[in-house]
Amino acid sequence: NAGVTQTPKFQVLKTGQSMTLQCAQDMNHNSMYWYRQDPGMGLRLIYYSASEGTTDKGEVPNGYNVSRLNKREFSLRLESAAPSQTSVYFCASRAGGTQYFGPGTRLLVL
Amino acid sequence: AQSVAQPEDQVNVAEGNPLTVKCTYSVSGNPYLFWYVQYPNRGLQFLLKYITGDNLVKGSYGFEAEFNKSQTSFHLKKPSALVSDSALYFCAVRDPLDSNYQLIWGAGTKLIIKP
Repeated sequence: NAGVTQTPKFQVLKTGQSMTLQCAQDMNHNSMYWYRQDPGMGLRLIYYSASEGTTDKGEVPNGYNVSRLNKREFSLRLESAAPSQTSVYFCASRAGGTQYFGPGTRLLVL
Repeated sequence: AQSVAQPEDQVNVAEGNPLTVKCTYSVSGNPYLFWYVQYPNRGLQFLLKYITGDNLVKGSYGFEAEFNKSQTSFHLKKPSALVSDSALYFCAVRDPLDSNYQLIWGAGTKLIIKP
């Protein structure tokens, strides 16, 4: 039981490049989330998925898209990366009221 | 607007002393409250939560938190700090009327335990 896994762990992009951050959970949870973490700002919700086939915007969705491919996987896509998207990205899944987090993806956009 | 405040960016405590990490919240109705811990270069780990019942909640690694409705606070405590408790601590609140279970997060408090 790996819990929540994320790939890659670290990525460097140039402005304008695109990439997809992958997230998978093996806990059979319905709900999944994407956050970004920036110094001094806590976590901010980008998108979430209440169940397979549904996605909704969070607090900071601009510049991102998501796909809930199946119950296990929830990917985050940056179509045209900007330096403001330099951050650490966390995926989480939820059981009851508790969210369980992956190890994060550290993204640097130059 | 719903919000969570962690008024201290950093808390320094000597090993063996009691520690407190503060959290206050503003949310309509009765909140669901959470504490998470983040060790360096790791994801967040769940520590404890308050939903209803006893105001003193016990969690992982010897931590506990006290819900105080009149002061709208949910401070994290531990009777005797360990060096290994050094980490970043986040308080979060969920509006129980929010069916999407979104959490509002505090900015985090860095806890440093000195030997």
